[in-house]
Amino acid sequence: EDQVTQSPEALRLQEGESSSLNCSYTVSGLRGLFWYRQDPGKGPEFLFTLYSAGEEKEKERLKATLTKKESFLHITAPKPEDSATYLCAFHTGANSKLTFGKGITLSVRP
Amino acid sequence: GAVVSQHPSRVICKSGTSVKIECRSLDFQATTMFWYRQFPKQSLMLMATSNEGSKATYEQGVEKDKFLINHASLTLSTLTVTSAHPEDSSFYICSATLGPFYEQYFGPGTRLTVT
Repeated sequence: EDQVTQSPEALRLQEGESSSLNCSYTVSGLRGLFWYRQDPGKGPEFLFTLYSAGEEKEKERLKATLTKKESFLHITAPKPEDSATYLCAFHTGANSKLTFGKGITLSVRP
Repeated sequence: GAVVSQHPSRVICKSGTSVKIECRSLDFQATTMFWYRQFPKQSLMLMATSNEGSKATYEQGVEKDKFLINHASLTLSTLTVTSAHPEDSSFYICSATLGPFYEQYFGPGTRLTVT
């Protein structure tokens, strides 16, 4: 069965302390790996799409990478406003259905 | 990025009544829209996939007669919760996409409370 696992469940960082969030997947026929950010009481905000192993994308303090088994969301010198839940998701077919991981709740202390 | 709106953002209704939630893609035409449900501290659970002009496809365990979905145009989908009960209280989120292999853009969500 296709599935995605995110770890750790929660992560607390000091402002400026860089770290990585992990998304491990076992998916046959991966067609896209997505990262979203979700703030409490709001809908997810799209961050990145990765399509093939070796691909990397960056946006401000965030960089997403993809291998054949995992995706990482690297956060460089995080700020308190980066505190949120980060979700990874994948889809495998033409119907665009996404399957989400449980998310990683990141807290950045000033 | 693309913008998706939802209305209302928050609704309280009495048990037994029906509630309609609207989802609109504001700056693009969405071939497909999705409806999700999210419980506190849990991830998103897909309820149904909706394509313009055709019947929605519901996920296993989701009652199609209770959660009515209409996708009237390429920019509008509605979810009607019929005969709502307290257990239907949840955070409902829609998303829209340009098509297969494109990312989904999410609305801000609707908090439904059934008393």
